[in-house]
Amino acid sequence: NAGVTQTPKFQVLKTGQSMTLQCAQDMNHNSMYWYRQDPGMGLRLIYYSASEGTTDKGEVPNGYNVSRLNKREFSLRLESAAPSQTSVYFCASSGDQPQHFGDGTRLSIL
Amino acid sequence: SQKIEQNSEALNIQEGKTATLTCNYTNYSPAYLQWYRQDPGRGPVFLLLIRENEKEKRKERLKVTFDTTLKQSLFHITASQPADSATYLCARPTGGFKTIFGAGTRLFVKA
Repeated sequence: NAGVTQTPKFQVLKTGQSMTLQCAQDMNHNSMYWYRQDPGMGLRLIYYSASEGTTDKGEVPNGYNVSRLNKREFSLRLESAAPSQTSVYFCASSGDQPQHFGDGTRLSIL
Repeated sequence: SQKIEQNSEALNIQEGKTATLTCNYTNYSPAYLQWYRQDPGRGPVFLLLIRENEKEKRKERLKVTFDTTLKQSLFHITASQPADSATYLCARPTGGFKTIFGAGTRLFVKA
């Protein structure tokens, strides 16, 4: 079982570029999440999808969009990247609890 | 708003000793608290969940307590090993499908 797979693992963007981060899970979980992790601030929820076909904003949604493509896949899009979006992005999935995380995408925006 | 507070200072202990990490929360007591482990360059991995009415839970060398009076959870690793060195995150549900995480406490176990 791969669990939660995120691609790419690393990415460098220039300010204003767009990008989509991909996430897929093979555990048949209903819920999926996108977090960002910054030093000293812990994980902050960007968007989540409680079930296929639904998405909701989390704590820090500005500058991001998401798509729940199907039950397995949940993508995060940056339409116009800004230096403040430099971070490590984690995708997670869950049935009830707990959450299962991917190993992250390290994104730098210059 | 609800918060999770963990000691931001790293905890350094000697191999074989017991490590104790603290998690404090605000507002109402959650139905449960969770503890995760995170290694450098990796995503968090779930360790333990303790429910409000459980007070204490054990898994091998790990023990978690839940004190609703103090609004606190303690996470203990007994007979610690260098392989236990990692960052440990505390988390609580906040309603619906959301969970908030503490910033984590980094543990270093010296051989």
